[in-house]
Amino acid sequence: AQSVTQLDSQVPVFEEAPVELRCNYSSSVSVYLFWYVQYPNQGLQLLLKYLSGSTLVKGINGFEAEFNKSQTSFHLRKPSVHISDTAEYFCAVTRALNTGTASKLTFGTGTRLQVTL
Amino acid sequence: GAVVSQHPSWVICKSGTSVKIECRSLDFQATTMFWYRQFPKQSLMLMATSNEGSKATYEQGVEKDKFLINHASLTLSTLTVTSAHPEDSSFYICSVGGRETQYFGPGTRLLVL
Repeated sequence: AQSVTQLDSQVPVFEEAPVELRCNYSSSVSVYLFWYVQYPNQGLQLLLKYLSGSTLVKGINGFEAEFNKSQTSFHLRKPSVHISDTAEYFCAVTRALNTGTASKLTFGTGTRLQVTL
Repeated sequence: GAVVSQHPSWVICKSGTSVKIECRSLDFQATTMFWYRQFPKQSLMLMATSNEGSKATYEQGVEKDKFLINHASLTLSTLTVTSAHPEDSSFYICSVGGRETQYFGPGTRLLVL
């Protein structure tokens, strides 16, 4: 089974400052990793994902994440945040297998990013 | 990516009644759909995996007789909360997709009075 830990439940940051949201995972098999963003009363939107290849993954809205296998981490970063980035961010993991069959996601507990002026 | 809709977006019902929530995949044929539940300020918890043309697979601790799932076509899955109680009040979200990407619906907010 897989598990995901997001150590920070809330991250306050000033606008235009850099931010890092931490995510660590645990798994006995290879995994795919994801970051999703959720705005109030909405579903989840995919920010970025790591499947294989380059460990630095770039996503939408200026976000990027780096896969670190030795530290089992997949931290999300943005060099300069905006007020509109205020939202809940979820890290998720699923097993990486050689089939296209859909597999359930295991989510972390989420990190609330609060951007202020 | 795939477009996923849910209906209704909001529902308020009396305790003891049943509520049906629809999840539609508008441009993706989904043999599998997932149903999640999210309590306020908490993460998404998988309830069940909906399989087209066969029985759903429920996660441990989820009552299959209370949360009825029907996946009659490649574009529609329904979740029926039977005999709803206030503790069933939550945000219900469905998703579709393959292993490499899951697309989520906008969610349905259920409030049981």
